[in-house]
Amino acid sequence: GQSLEQPSEVTAVEGAIVQINCTYQTSGFYGLSWYQQHDGGAPTFLSYNALDGLEETGRFSSFLSRSDSYGYLLLQELQMKDSASYFCAVRIYSGGYQKVTFGTGTKLQVIP
Amino acid sequence: DTAVSQTPKYLVTQMGNDKSIKCEQNLGHDTMYWYKQDSKKFLKIMFSYNNKELIINETVPNRFSPKSPDKAHLNLHINSLELGDSAVYFCASSQGRDRGEKLFFGSGTQLSVL
Repeated sequence: GQSLEQPSEVTAVEGAIVQINCTYQTSGFYGLSWYQQHDGGAPTFLSYNALDGLEETGRFSSFLSRSDSYGYLLLQELQMKDSASYFCAVRIYSGGYQKVTFGTGTKLQVIP
Repeated sequence: DTAVSQTPKYLVTQMGNDKSIKCEQNLGHDTMYWYKQDSKKFLKIMFSYNNKELIINETVPNRFSPKSPDKAHLNLHINSLELGDSAVYFCASSQGRDRGEKLFFGSGTQLSVL
């Protein structure tokens, strides 16, 4: 089977830095994506890592360690609008086709 | 222009009814998906179609029947609705069956079964 684990909730202060971790157990791993979802909204793509290392996109960075089956999303200079749920998602190959499976999500609350 | 659009946004219905949700994407993508998000926000894949062909069917009850008339459209029909079907259903698309690193989601359909 496969599993993805993320913390359920994180609280951080406006202007600070926060890291949201994701550990996964799966076969056929191809890459790790991150999505943001505001309450009542749709998930929107943030970042993708297929190889080990850090990918930076503005205030958001994502890291992957394939050997540790671990990744994280780093949000810098937090803003109130960053309050949302964040999902990691693994892209795997199983039975000849590609599948994207989501973690349980981390609810980030940014406080003044 | 909305990239992935689904209708209706809200659907309230009685147990036992049949309902449909429609999805269209104007991105020129080959692959489309249905995901179900429950009250705990868990996003679970239900189906995936590539160029009108079903490629993923994730042990979903056969009361759920997807239909893809062309690669830009993927509809979901649900028969004999049950209380447990209440959830938000998201349509999504990707460039191709091997391009799942970035999914584009519709705004969701909140289904409430009473």
